[in-house]
Amino acid sequence: AQSVTQPDIHITVSEGASLELRCNYSYGATPYLFWYVQSPGQGLQLLLKYFSGDTLVQGIKGFEAEFKRSQSSFNLRKPSVHWSDAAEYFCAVDSGGFKTIFGAGTRLFVKA
Amino acid sequence: GAVVSQHPSWVICKSGTSVKIECRSLDFQATTMFWYRQFPKQSLMLMATSNEGSKATYEQGVEKDKFLINHASLTLSTLTVTSAHPEDSSFYICSAEGADLYEQYFGPGTRLTVT
Repeated sequence: AQSVTQPDIHITVSEGASLELRCNYSYGATPYLFWYVQSPGQGLQLLLKYFSGDTLVQGIKGFEAEFKRSQSSFNLRKPSVHWSDAAEYFCAVDSGGFKTIFGAGTRLFVKA
Repeated sequence: GAVVSQHPSWVICKSGTSVKIECRSLDFQATTMFWYRQFPKQSLMLMATSNEGSKATYEQGVEKDKFLINHASLTLSTLTVTSAHPEDSSFYICSAEGADLYEQYFGPGTRLTVT
């Protein structure tokens, strides 16, 4: 069965420091992969997606993610975190049949 | 960009009553809409997939008679929680599939509290 694992429930990063959020997936074929961000009490906003092609994907708000097939990973990165980046981040995979499976989420805390 | 709205953004109802939540795609037509449920500090769980003009497809464990979904047009889907109970209290989020396959646009969510 398809699954998405985000090993870190929460991460704390100092403002200005770099960030990497981990995501591993289990899927038989090349998946469609997504990263979403959710602010408290809000819906989800798409940060970036990977369908095919270049394995390094650029997204909005300065985020990027790299698809590594050999590691079944799609980690999200940002070189310099801003206080406004504090939110919940969800990795997701399209499992086929137009169903998206979400990871458990990683809450990002940013300290001054 | 594609915008999805939900109404209401929050609602409080008494146990035993029914509540309707609307999901609208404002600037595009959505053949397929999705309804999710999110418990506090947890991920989104897909409840059902709604296709315009046909019956919704419910995920395993979701009571279709309790969570009535109607997708009457290409821009509107509704979720009705019938005979609501406190355990139905949750954050309900809808999404609509855009022209770019596999990309969903999410609504802002509806916070339901059943007292």
